Amino acid sequence: GAGVSQSPSNKVTEKGKDVELRCDPISGHTALYWYRQRLGQGLEFLIYFQGNSAPDKSGLPSDRFSAERTGESVSTLTIQRTQQEDSAVYLCASSLGSGSSYEQYFGPGTRLTVT
Amino acid sequence: AQTVTQSQPEMSVQEAETVTLSCTYDTSESDYYLFWYKQPPSRQMILVIRQEAYKQQNATENRFSVNFQKAAKSFSLKISDSQLGDAAMYFCAYRSAGQGGKLIFGQGTELSVKP
Repeated sequence: GAGVSQSPSNKVTEKGKDVELRCDPISGHTALYWYRQRLGQGLEFLIYFQGNSAPDKSGLPSDRFSAERTGESVSTLTIQRTQQEDSAVYLCASSLGSGSSYEQYFGPGTRLTVT
Repeated sequence: AQTVTQSQPEMSVQEAETVTLSCTYDTSESDYYLFWYKQPPSRQMILVIRQEAYKQQNATENRFSVNFQKAAKSFSLKISDSQLGDAAMYFCAYRSAGQGGKLIFGQGTELSVKP
């Protein structure tokens, strides 16, 4: 079946502009995660959605970052007033549930470049 | 807070030889999961192997095996009979047991395989 998809694959934006990144999880997966990967670094957790529960936003680096998810489908990550330090690959992952026994399946990521 | 450390930014191995990638972590929790992920240039994160902390037996997946030392908080990955396709970034990751399940990643080790 189809895996996790993300769009766009690459995004170049000017400093100060807003950007929206999209994630389509695997059908039936109730949990969805966003991570950020700066150049040469490991992944940093940003936000997590589980069904209709309140999201875990503990990893969002500033109030310029926000994310939404409608039910158990698509999620969008929005970065307002982008800064050069926001340049990174943004990865989305989904899993069947939020329990630790469930594997997270990752998408190919969106490479964001802020000029 | 939990942390994961990979002290080898780069490693190299000859094709068909064996290589070991190191990972240490810090946690006060007794129940958790540990993972090794592979990230090729395509950016797609691929789960290589997982280990439940409550299991004493080291996990094995074909040519990949781990050496899990819970008291020492060490979790190394051994790749036997290395193949050219094993060349990639390898990330060690930690996940608390229970709900939520965000992954905490190390900085990564870039593995190159020489023919």
